[in-house]
This record gives sequence, C-alpha cells and structure tokens, in this order.
Amino acid sequence: AQKVTQAQTEISVVEKEDVTLDCVYETRDTTYYLFWYKQPPSGELVFLIRRNSFDEQNEISGRYSWNFQKSTSSFNFTITASQVVDSAVYFCALSGTGANSKLTFGKGITLSVRP
Amino acid sequence: DSGVTQTPKHLITATGQRVTLRCSPRSGDLSVYWYQQSLDQGLQFLIQYYNGEERAKGNILERFSAQQFPDLHSELNLSSLELGDSALYFCASSVESVRNEQFFGPGTRLTVL
Repeated sequence: AQKVTQAQTEISVVEKEDVTLDCVYETRDTTYYLFWYKQPPSGELVFLIRRNSFDEQNEISGRYSWNFQKSTSSFNFTITASQVVDSAVYFCALSGTGANSKLTFGKGITLSVRP
Repeated sequence: DSGVTQTPKHLITATGQRVTLRCSPRSGDLSVYWYQQSLDQGLQFLIQYYNGEERAKGNILERFSAQQFPDLHSELNLSSLELGDSALYFCASSVESVRNEQFFGPGTRLTVL
C-alpha cells in the first residue's frame, strides 16, 4: 500500500522568507511518481511539480525547487522568497502506473505567508 | 484553468436524496479519476475510469457509483445521502503518459442537510 506523510501541519512565515515543506512516502512500486499540489483558499487543486522515481535530479523552477532522495524516501519542496499569494494548503502525492495510477495524498500543510 | 470542468459547483440537498455530479476531462485525456475531500478523511481516491472502463476502485461506498461515457465525460452518482457525505468532490483527468500528471477540476461542493 502507498502512504504519504506530511509531518508538518501548519507553517507561518514572513514574506520573502524561504520555506521548505517536507514529504515522506512509502511504496513497493519500482516505478512511481511524486507530486506537489497547491490548494489556495478558493479551493481548486493546482498541479505544481512532478518527479519520476527513476530521476533523482533535483531542479529549480522559478521560486520553486525540490529535493528528491530515494534513500530516505523524501520529496521536499522549497519556496524561495515567499509571497502572500503562496498562502495555501500544499499536498504531496504519490502514484504508481496504469491501474495503480491513483493519487495517494498526504494530509496537507497549511502555509501562511504574512506581509 | 486546468481544462477539466465539473458541474454543478455547489449542491445542497437533503438526507436520503440522490445526486449526480458531472465531469468533462481535458481534451485528449482518457483517464478520469474521482476524489473526495472531507475534513476528517482528507483527500481520498474513489474510482478511476479509463476509456469507458472501470480501472481502479478506492474507498467508494456502495451507495456511490460512477460511469464514463463514450464521449469520455464521467458522472458520479451518490444515493441515499447521509450528513457525512458532505464534502468537496473532485474530478481529475490524465493522459497517462510517462508524465502521469492529473489535472483537477474546480470541484463540486456537496452539502447534505
């Protein structure tokens, strides 16, 4: 069975601070995908980033970066120079392939960015 | 805008009633997924359809059913509604390539009174 753990529940930062959201996952699949989704107060789920299990290269996309480490089953997400508009609930999610391509979500982290 | 549409946006109904939620996937996406988001259970997978066929089932109650039509839109039917069914129901679609992203609709907020 797949499992995603987001140990942090709420984080509050001041604008322009960097913030890292932690995610730990469990799966028996050899091929899997990891995602971060954002849910702003308006309620929609917005896809942010995706990582394949066979590609551990970490990347930066604008103010977002992520650190994928298979050895520790972690997929952490960093927002650099946070902005008030980043305030939202952030979900880490895990999927397999084919008939196991459903998303398994963590419980989410509520990020509040104060001006 | 993800390209996934869901109707209605809000639904208020009474216990014991039946409702139908509708989802149109992004153009070209063959997979449709339904998820339920509630305060106590979080985001949970309900069911997946791929090109008209049921592909995977999650924590979906027997009172709930779904189908995907030839034009690939999907409907989620919820019957004998209970107070605890009040939740945000999301539909997502995916092309199921190596990228495997799922794009979510805006959700239908169901309130059972």
